[in-house]
Amino acid sequence: DGGITQSPKYLFRKEGQNVTLSCEQNLNHDAMYWYRQDPGQGLRLIYYSQIVNDFQKGDIAEGYSVSREKKESFPLTVTSAQKNPTAFYLCASRAADGRNTIYFGEGSWLTVV
Amino acid sequence: GNSVTQMEGPVTLSEEAFLTINCTYTATGYPSLFWYVQYPGEGLQLLLKATKADDKGSNKGFEATYRKETTSFHLEKGSVQVSDSAVYFCALILTGGGNKLTFGTGTQLKVEL
Repeated sequence: DGGITQSPKYLFRKEGQNVTLSCEQNLNHDAMYWYRQDPGQGLRLIYYSQIVNDFQKGDIAEGYSVSREKKESFPLTVTSAQKNPTAFYLCASRAADGRNTIYFGEGSWLTVV
Repeated sequence: GNSVTQMEGPVTLSEEAFLTINCTYTATGYPSLFWYVQYPGEGLQLLLKATKADDKGSNKGFEATYRKETTSFHLEKGSVQVSDSAVYFCALILTGGGNKLTFGTGTQLKVEL
């Protein structure tokens, strides 16, 4: 089945550690996105990439890093510089077909302990 | 800048009641408009969309009409079910500039028997 796969679903991290969240899509979409969602709140854009080997900061990029070495993959690293990393992280992708529809993965819960 | 405003939640309804969730937007161009639904602990699912003025998006009994004159995209359903309990997000996207989704803060819907 085509879709967006995020892993792991649940992740615990000690303070001071970096952690990488995986996002893979087999939809042949060009653009990919990372959003952060805090409990009871909306979504905020962390980073996005419109094409392989290119990405831009979103609204809350500090403390995060990404790479886009392959079209299918857009991993997000939450670094120790991120002060409040505990959140629900959502990956999304969009086809360059003019329909502008963005599809989401199932999300990853990150908890700092 | 672009923004989306949704009605505050939670909205609590009895089963078979009529649902309206208000959504208004501000955009510098002509956006495409979306409603996404999020069930507890899950990612966002596209519910419906409209790409130009007067378009009506519909899915699973939900409808929303793109009203350019009032910059609105209100979500409606004639008869809600307990299974419709979720958080609903209104969003817009403008072509260009990364095609980033701008979200409202979400409206929680609770449907009771």
